[in-house]
Amino acid sequence: GDSVTQTEGQVTVSESKSLIINCTYSATSIAYPNLFWYVRYPGEGLQLLLKVITAGQKGSSRGFEATYNKETTTFHLQKASVQESDSAVYYCALSRWTNTGKLTFGDGTVLTVKP
Amino acid sequence: DTTVKQNPRYKLARVGKPVNLICSQTMNHDTMYWYQKKPNQAPKLLLFYYDKILNREADTFEKFQSSRPNNSFCSLYIGSAGLEYSAMYLCATGGRERLFFGHGTKLSVL
Repeated sequence: GDSVTQTEGQVTVSESKSLIINCTYSATSIAYPNLFWYVRYPGEGLQLLLKVITAGQKGSSRGFEATYNKETTTFHLQKASVQESDSAVYYCALSRWTNTGKLTFGDGTVLTVKP
Repeated sequence: DTTVKQNPRYKLARVGKPVNLICSQTMNHDTMYWYQKKPNQAPKLLLFYYDKILNREADTFEKFQSSRPNNSFCSLYIGSAGLEYSAMYLCATGGRERLFFGHGTKLSVL
């Protein structure tokens, strides 16, 4: 079946430093799944941060970027300079083209940004 | 303005007793989804509706029921709660591009 792996359960970064959260995906019987990053800020529901549906493309939102790399099957999330307000739980996810709501999530990465 | 609402935020249930969780959405989407989220685990899809058609995941087929009396409302029903049902239950709706999630209902089974 499909799977998404986030290797870091928790990441702590100082404010204004750069960030990378790793995501590796595996999608059996489908060549190019849709890829997403969802985020849950404290006290809020899960919300879409960014998505990319075409291999080789880059998505961006709120200063975050992620590039769909089909050769390495990765979709790492990056930000050049984090802020304290970025502290949240980040989930990498994939879906098949036919049903973008049927998501396979990673376990999530808790990001803490220190002032 | 919260467009996907789940009530209650926290729910206590006794082992062996039924549990009914409620979700409503004002976005008029055809689809509604229920995910289960346990600590340090990925959210896991339990079932979803496309219009009035219910689709349940193979490994949770026997454990959860659902109803959708109208486009705005969806419930998740557990006939006999066990300790393993303690989790956060997330309701979502969406179009082709993204899902919109509610805040979730945290279910504790004692």
